[in-house]
Amino acid sequence: ETGVTQSPTHLIKTRGQQVTLRCSSQSGHNTVSWYQQALGQGPQFIFQYYREEENGRGNFPPRFSGLQFPNYSSELNVNALELDDSALYLCASTPDFQETQYFGPGTRLLVL
Amino acid sequence: AQRVTQPEKLLSVFKGAPVELKCNYSYSGSPELFWYVQYSRQRLQLLLRHISRESIKGFTADLNKGETSFHLKKPFAQEEDSAMYYCALRTSGTYKYIFGTGTRLKVLA
Repeated sequence: ETGVTQSPTHLIKTRGQQVTLRCSSQSGHNTVSWYQQALGQGPQFIFQYYREEENGRGNFPPRFSGLQFPNYSSELNVNALELDDSALYLCASTPDFQETQYFGPGTRLLVL
Repeated sequence: AQRVTQPEKLLSVFKGAPVELKCNYSYSGSPELFWYVQYSRQRLQLLLRHISRESIKGFTADLNKGETSFHLKKPFAQEEDSAMYYCALRTSGTYKYIFGTGTRLKVLA
């Protein structure tokens, strides 16, 4: 196991609400990326953080935001939830000077 | 536009048969290509990357810039190869990955 954990495992929200998803990675993994995976699709890159700064973003609106903390944990926040936000959300951390992303098990979000 | 295409949603082969999972990409820069695998009830994990030119679990993949392809191959499929396979492109100078839609490989006994 890589040690990347995510919480919660499942979540149900209603349209318009806000949600915070959490990820905890290993010591030395200063890069964390978040992905959205809709049913039947591959993961889509949301954004990436390095040492608490956002350093890359995919085609997602500003209501998707994130934070990374010095203790190798991070958050994905989604405001004004829409039905299409229903998906599996994955975080992946990368150790410095390495290529390999280590994925967490994901949080499955359902928006009703 | 940057894109990764995996044309097959499902590929079924018999044990011992050769396997080829197709991946084509669209990217104007110098690509870095990866294959990720997800076994049943496990998390997504890196299988191999083109830059290291390695063989992992008998799988190989060659980057063909002329055909913009990065097909995954194995000469003799095993039942334990059954999984979901994703091809991914990393844009140069970043950690932004673009994933394909995945191919489910079923190896039949």
